[in-house]
Amino acid sequence: ELKVEQNPLFLSMQEGKNYTIYCNYSTTSDRLYWYRQDPGKSLESLFVLLSNGAVKQEGRLMASLDTKARLSTLHITAAVHDLSATYFCAVDMRGNKLVFGAGTILRVKS
Amino acid sequence: DAMVIQNPRYQVTQFGKPVTLSCSQTLNHNVMYWYQQKSSQAPKLLFHYYDKDFNNEADTPDNFQSRRPNTSFCFLDIRSPGLGDAAMYLCATSLHTSSEQFFGPGTRLTVL
Repeated sequence: ELKVEQNPLFLSMQEGKNYTIYCNYSTTSDRLYWYRQDPGKSLESLFVLLSNGAVKQEGRLMASLDTKARLSTLHITAAVHDLSATYFCAVDMRGNKLVFGAGTILRVKS
Repeated sequence: DAMVIQNPRYQVTQFGKPVTLSCSQTLNHNVMYWYQQKSSQAPKLLFHYYDKDFNNEADTPDNFQSRRPNTSFCFLDIRSPGLGDAAMYLCATSLHTSSEQFFGPGTRLTVL
């Protein structure tokens, strides 16, 4: 059974600081997704990582995938308040199934 | 704009009273999914359709059923909602197996 672990589960950071969220998974997969969710809202797709070594960047967020280590990271650069949300990684388990991590609640303080 | 639409956005029902949630899509995707997301938890897949083929997750309670009358629409039926079924229900679609999933805005279900 595929298990996906995110850490930290809660992250409080100051504006302007950098931090990384980690997503580990237990079985082979070469597709990983990062989503953002604001309170009471649906999931917004941030990144689709499809191969080993994939790196994608959008604004202050950068995501990477190491399929050999079964690890993805979401790096936040110079955080701003608008980045406050819950971030989920989700791993594609062959057979149409996404398995989600528990989510990381990010709070950026002014 | 091509999109995934869910109705209603908010649904209040009484304990044991059947309820139906609706999802429609203009993306012409083959696969439609239903997820349940309880407060402060990750989304959990209930079932999905690939075209007309229904795929139920092993741990989805029998209380939850789904229908897909055509490519565009998919329904989630909760036959006898319990207090524990209060959650956000998310519909998603994807073009093919292992394609990126696109999520609708969700329906928040309250059970009184």
